[in-house]
Amino acid sequence: DTGVSQDPRHKITKRGQNVTFRCDPISEHNRLYWYRQTLGQGPEFLTYFQNEAQLEKSRLLSDRFSAERPKGSFSTLEIQRTEQGDSAMYLCASSLGEDGWAGGRIQPQHFGDGTRLSIL
Amino acid sequence: QKEVEQDPGPLSVPEGAIVSLNCTYSNSAFQYFMWYRQYSRKGPELLMYTYSSGNKEDGRFTAQLNRASQYISLLIRDSKLSDSATYLCAMSSSGSARQLTFGSGTQLTVLP
Repeated sequence: DTGVSQDPRHKITKRGQNVTFRCDPISEHNRLYWYRQTLGQGPEFLTYFQNEAQLEKSRLLSDRFSAERPKGSFSTLEIQRTEQGDSAMYLCASSLGEDGWAGGRIQPQHFGDGTRLSIL
Repeated sequence: QKEVEQDPGPLSVPEGAIVSLNCTYSNSAFQYFMWYRQYSRKGPELLMYTYSSGNKEDGRFTAQLNRASQYISLLIRDSKLSDSATYLCAMSSSGSARQLTFGSGTQLTVLP
C-alpha cells in the first residue's frame, strides 16, 4: 500500500518538551497538508506545501509550530515547548495540485492515519 | 459562528435503516462539497464529492446539495454494520483547494 504514512502513530511527552512528527505522502503528489483534529471535532487546517514551498499557514499555527518539506517529498512538523492544549491528532494529507478551474474535477486529499499527541 | 455546522449526533440505527446526515454552511465561496468517513483511530477517507445542486448517487450513498439553502446532506440506504464510523462534511472553494473546512462530524453506529 502506497498511501500516506505518518510516524509515530502515538507520542506521549511531558509539557515543555519538543516533539517532531514525520509524514511521507503518496509519491507522485506535489501537495502536502497538515491538519489538527481534537476529540469530537473535524480536522482543522494548519499549513500546506506545494512541492518544497510552504504557501499557506493558518493562524492556528503559532510560533511554536514549524513545518518543513525540504526536498518536496516527506514533511516534518515540530512543536516546541509543548502545552496541554497541543494534545490532539495531527493528520497529514497529500494530493495532486493544479491551479485554475478544474472543470468539475476534484483533486482529493488523501489522509494518513495521524499521529496522536498526548501531553502529560 | 462556525462556517460549517454539522448535526452532532451521535446516531444509532438498526441494520437496513436509511440514515440522513446533514451540514449547513455560511460561506458562499464554498464551491465543492465532500463527505469523508473516518473509522476509529484512522484518517478520514473520501466517500463522495459534489459541486452541482441536486443529487449525486454512488451505490447506497446519495449526496445532496442545495446551494440556495446552503445545505448538504448524505443519505445512506440499507445501512450495514461496516457503515459505523464518524462522517465528516468538508468544503472548499475550488476542486484543487489548498484547504478543506470540515464540520465537526456525526458519529454513526449501525446495530445488528
